Amino acid sequence: EVQLVESGGGLVQPGQSLRLSCTASGFIFGDYYVNWVRQAPGKGLEWVGFLRRKTYRGTAEYAASVKGRFTISRDDSKSIGYLQMNSLKSEDTAVYYCTRLDYGRNYFDGWGQGTPVTVSS
Amino acid sequence: QSALTQPASVSGSPGQSITISCAGTSSDVGAYNFVSWYQQHPGKAPKLLVFDVSNRPSGVSHRFSGSKSRNTASLTISGLQTEDEADYYCSSYAGIDTPFVFGTGTKVTVL
Repeated sequence: EVQLVESGGGLVQPGQSLRLSCTASGFIFGDYYVNWVRQAPGKGLEWVGFLRRKTYRGTAEYAASVKGRFTISRDDSKSIGYLQMNSLKSEDTAVYYCTRLDYGRNYFDGWGQGTPVTVSS
Repeated sequence: QSALTQPASVSGSPGQSITISCAGTSSDVGAYNFVSWYQQHPGKAPKLLVFDVSNRPSGVSHRFSGSKSRNTASLTISGLQTEDEADYYCSSYAGIDTPFVFGTGTKVTVL
């Protein structure tokens, strides 16, 4: 069974940083992309970015709203994906979901329960 | 890349069929057969219902079906049930620069 568990969310002040983790189980983590989606309170879903698997360049793509501030990384030996968020803004307040994304696929077939991030002074 | 446009709400009675539209452009929905649909109950994570326009993952009810015509995709729920009351989001691949775009979301109410 595919399981994704996010952690690391919390309350931070504008301009600060936060790192989220996504611990995976039930599948070979290294064969998949690390993908993040967020949902602001009462709003819709927004794609944040993904990191390709190492055997396919291992490069990342990001939404324009987070490019240059957010960085996705991975530790395949531990089956953990990360989302490093710097220079946080109030508009980054959201529940952050880690999802499974397969190479060559264009849909998210596994989701974690999400971790909330609040950016406020 | 702008969000895909969905109706804010759709409602129906138990047993009826409803259709949710997802309007995009020739750069996303119209350009690729990579539309997916997700169901989200309150306080829960989204769940994949349909991928690649009209394919269902194993375990998803046949009451959910997807289609596409030009720049608009649709999700039809047949034989509406109370447990179908949830928010529904479409998503499309949109190219290399911004690979994924979601719809604005539709709240389905079972009367």
